This record gives sequence, C-alpha cells and structure tokens, in this order.
Amino acid sequence: GQQLNQSPQSMFIQEGEDVSMNCTSSSIFNTWLWYKQDPGEGPVLLIALYKAGELTSNGRLTAQFGITRKDSFLNISASIPSDVGIYFCAGQPYNNAGNMLTFGGGTRLMVKP
Amino acid sequence: DAGVIQSPRHEVTEMGQEVTLRCKPISGHNSLFWYRQTMMRGLELLIYFNNNVPIDDSGMPEDRFSAKMPNASFSTLKIQPSEPRDSAVYFCASSAASGSYETQYFGPGTRLLVL
Repeated sequence: GQQLNQSPQSMFIQEGEDVSMNCTSSSIFNTWLWYKQDPGEGPVLLIALYKAGELTSNGRLTAQFGITRKDSFLNISASIPSDVGIYFCAGQPYNNAGNMLTFGGGTRLMVKP
Repeated sequence: DAGVIQSPRHEVTEMGQEVTLRCKPISGHNSLFWYRQTMMRGLELLIYFNNNVPIDDSGMPEDRFSAKMPNASFSTLKIQPSEPRDSAVYFCASSAASGSYETQYFGPGTRLLVL
C-alpha cells in the first residue's frame, strides 16, 4: 500500500529549541493530519489540514499542507518537556475510495530540561 | 464531550484463550476503525466500518480475528484463540466520514499481553 516517509525518526533536543519534522509521499493526499502519542495513551489529534498550501497553528505548533499535496511539515516552537512523545503524520490518499488513513512511522521527540 | 471509549485498558491472558476488546465511538460518528500498534510494525489498520457495515477487513491478520459492530455505538474485536504474537496495543478510532476530509479520533487503547 501507499507509504508515508516521516523524518526524522527521533530527535533529542534541549528545552527551548524549535523542532521540525515532515512527511513525504510519492502520491497525492487530500488530507494531512498530525497526531501526538504520549506513553500509554492513544494518538491525539493536533492539527488537521484539508487544502494544499494551508498553514495552520495550534499554540506553539504549526503545520502546513504542501502545495504539491505530497508532503506536510510540523513545527514546534520553544519546546518544553511536556512536548515529549511520538508524533505521527497521517494522510488520506487522493485515490482512496473509502476513508482510510495512511500513517507515517512516527517521530520520537525527547526534550532535555 | 466523551471521546472514544475502549475497554479493557489492559488485558493479560494465556495463549489459547479468547479475548474480546470493546469500543464505543464518539456519538454521531459513523465510521469506526480498529488498529493494532507494535514496535516492529507501527500502526496497522485491521478493519473499518461505515454505518455499522464492514468495509475493508484486509488488515485482519487471520481467521482468529473477527470484528462486529451491532449498532452505531458499539464494536468488538475478538481474538480466538489468542497467541503470544497477538500481544500489542489495539486502538479504536472513529470519524464522521466526511468524504474527502477524513479526521479520525483515537481511543486510549487496550494493551494486550498474551502469555
């Protein structure tokens, strides 16, 4: 099936630093979603993007739907310890007859106080 | 507003036993998804329902796995007989199935350990 390439796989940063992660695909997507998963919990939706070029913020988080519709990025500004977790991108492929999502492999973020 | 509810949160069982996982989707959502998460394979879609009807079950590992959605507010995922390789976190997610703008909301998961 279609795959999303998410990078980096992991990041270890200092508190206060900005973070950037991205997802790319060889296929076109209708929707891009970014989730965060805390240890022992389910993925929580952070940002949803529905239009090519769309730039959306949620507090210190900003995500963009790439204009080619094949990529998306998530930025976190001024990281804090509670940003620790695994971040997943997910997309709804353009040719998806149903409403299934394709997920990236996740970016594990670690923040040093 | 209540999110997706899953039970149990943790399950430890012995190989060969039947396991039943339960999910209550968000009220008003008409699509429900069952996922499995492992370190090796990440998040895998097992099966999903639209309006209580199974649409795609190609991700169901084998005949030992079955899922039902008898009504809009309840679904089960059953494993019979369970095997150690079934140990994973099982997530249920729901969405309002808005065509081209799919947004899924996940439950807290059931952590299954098969000994």
